[in-house]
Amino acid sequence: AQTVTQSQPEMSVQEAETVTLSCTYDTSESDYYLFWYKQPPSRQMILVIRQEAYKQQNATENRFSVNFQKAAKSFSLKISDSQLGDAAMYFCAYRTVTSGTYKYIFGTGTRLKVLA
Amino acid sequence: DTAVSQTPKYLVTQMGNDKSIKCEQNLGHDTMYWYKQDSKKFLKIMFSYNNKELIINETVPNRFSPKSPDKAHLNLHINSLELGDSAVYFCASSQVGGGPPYEQYFGPGTRLTVT
Repeated sequence: AQTVTQSQPEMSVQEAETVTLSCTYDTSESDYYLFWYKQPPSRQMILVIRQEAYKQQNATENRFSVNFQKAAKSFSLKISDSQLGDAAMYFCAYRTVTSGTYKYIFGTGTRLKVLA
Repeated sequence: DTAVSQTPKYLVTQMGNDKSIKCEQNLGHDTMYWYKQDSKKFLKIMFSYNNKELIINETVPNRFSPKSPDKAHLNLHINSLELGDSAVYFCASSQVGGGPPYEQYFGPGTRLTVT
């Protein structure tokens, strides 16, 4: 069975600085999707970025980028020029593309604090 | 314009009561999910329906019963509520057929408090 591990329960970053959140996963599949979700205090789950495993190029969305290392099964999220509004829980998630299996597996989350 | 909506957003009730949470999505997705988020923020999948068919049924007490009248709706009924049921319940939807993207869209969550 697939697992997702976020080893950093909490991280802090100074405003305008860069921070990297770690995520590792375990799978025997070769094709899958990976996601980072953000959950601010409002509790709404917001998609930050997605990565298709078959793509070697790392995904980027404005200040958010990933470092996808397929062989190492690592999927870290880098937030550049951190803003106060980035303070939230961040969840890494894995989804198989195997037909008939539609489960998403979430990590335990990393709480990001942004210091002014 | 809300993509995934849930009602109610807050629910306070006493032990032993029965309650329901409703979810609707207007994204045209074919799959809907219920998650439970506990006080430590851990997201646990409970159920999933694909085209009104139950496809994921995790280890959840029988007191929880999902129902999907159509692709756009997924409800969760809870019988004989217990203190341990207090949590935030999220509904989500995604499109699993027809190719990517496969991300899930979440509702705003329902905070259930059992006293």
